[in-house]
Amino acid sequence: DTGVSQDPRHKITKRGQNVTFRCDPISEHNRLYWYRQTLGQGPEFLTYFQNEAQLEKSRLLSDRFSAERPKGSFSTLEIQRTEQGDSAMYLCASSFRTGIQETQYFGPGTRLLVL
Amino acid sequence: DAKTTQPPSMDCAEGRAANLPCNHSTISGNEYVYWYRQIHSQGPQYIIHGLKNNETNEMASLIITEDRKSSTLILPHATLRDTAVYYCARRGLDMRFGAGTRLTVKP
Repeated sequence: DTGVSQDPRHKITKRGQNVTFRCDPISEHNRLYWYRQTLGQGPEFLTYFQNEAQLEKSRLLSDRFSAERPKGSFSTLEIQRTEQGDSAMYLCASSFRTGIQETQYFGPGTRLLVL
Repeated sequence: DAKTTQPPSMDCAEGRAANLPCNHSTISGNEYVYWYRQIHSQGPQYIIHGLKNNETNEMASLIITEDRKSSTLILPHATLRDTAVYYCARRGLDMRFGAGTRLTVKP
């Protein structure tokens, strides 16, 4: 399977715990995006990387959220001191940008439940 | 995204064309219109995109009005497997999604 993969697919945690999600993009895609999706809503952009550089992070929901893409391949999204309001689906997407053309392909998501 | 609006739900008869509207009246000149769909709890699946011209691929057609304030996704012969939530999005520096239309294809 050469699509975007995410791990884990489901995560249940207790309030106050830290969680980390992993995304493996489509091979050779230079851009990687993180989104959050709550019930009944469309995906909400959080942050993105071009290769290993994080080019936009102002839309991360709070300073408890952070993301890395250390070698320009896979990425991790960490939420520290989780709150019940963090319960959502976290989606990763990747793309290969050439000029102004770019199509993002999404992974299956990680569903987080904070108790 | 409050600036990208879609009807919450629509029904379509199997075999008929499904026409899904999207209003993006504040779209900027360099923003593309994208359509995705999402089935159950899977990730969104890319369908089609366009800037000014109408587009067609193996999945669907996209009609963008001349003033670019709205667009319509057309599934020419809807099947039961097309039942999903369809999202319209604007792509500028980032992708901004509407709240989606839940399409139900009925036999």
